[in-house]
Amino acid sequence: GAVVSQHPSWVICKSGTSVKIECRSLDFQATTMFWYRQFPKKSLMLMATSNEGSKATYEQGVEKDKFLINHASLTLSTLTVTSAHPEDSSFYICSARPQAGAPQHFGDGTRLSIL
Amino acid sequence: AQSVTQLDSQVPVFEEAPVELRCNYSSSVSVYLFWYVQYPNQGLQLLLKYLSGSTLVKGINGFEAEFNKSQTSFHLRKPSVHISDTAEYFCAVSLSANFNKFYFGSGTKLNVKP
Repeated sequence: GAVVSQHPSWVICKSGTSVKIECRSLDFQATTMFWYRQFPKKSLMLMATSNEGSKATYEQGVEKDKFLINHASLTLSTLTVTSAHPEDSSFYICSARPQAGAPQHFGDGTRLSIL
Repeated sequence: AQSVTQLDSQVPVFEEAPVELRCNYSSSVSVYLFWYVQYPNQGLQLLLKYLSGSTLVKGINGFEAEFNKSQTSFHLRKPSVHISDTAEYFCAVSLSANFNKFYFGSGTKLNVKP
């Protein structure tokens, strides 16, 4: 149980385009989802926390107009990287939590490459 | 401020040998401690966690970790590793029982050799 699916797993696109990454909780309802970014050989850095039906809370230094997060249902959150540039290339990982006090379950990540 | 330090970026070890992956943290408040494993191009899988109680915590795949409050450490150990244990291991802390926010260490790449 507690499976989190991310799609796509790998995406390559041209500079200037927007890319949407989906995060789904397959067998539980996730009141809260988290988006992380992982640079090569670096740790995960929390980008934002999203609660179903409300605006996401972004960490300091993360551009909310650049990284749009939508959590419209209890099983789906999306991260849209708008007008992507090569420096946005990274590994993006989402996690989902069924309720407060429960551990986060992580997706398999999305590798984003901007040419 | 909180921080998590994993001093070893890479740990090579031969199969069936014991291994210890080190994790130290810095926090002015009580923390909850976790170890995650990441296989190539995959997300994170929870190995074990310390919330309260016994300081020796046993997790999946034969791993265990010991919480040492005086040394602010939470080292991960396995008495005999397998090739399949080759992966990246992350130590993380959370400041609240809601697990709202995790602070991750920089990771330790465990490379098990035959």
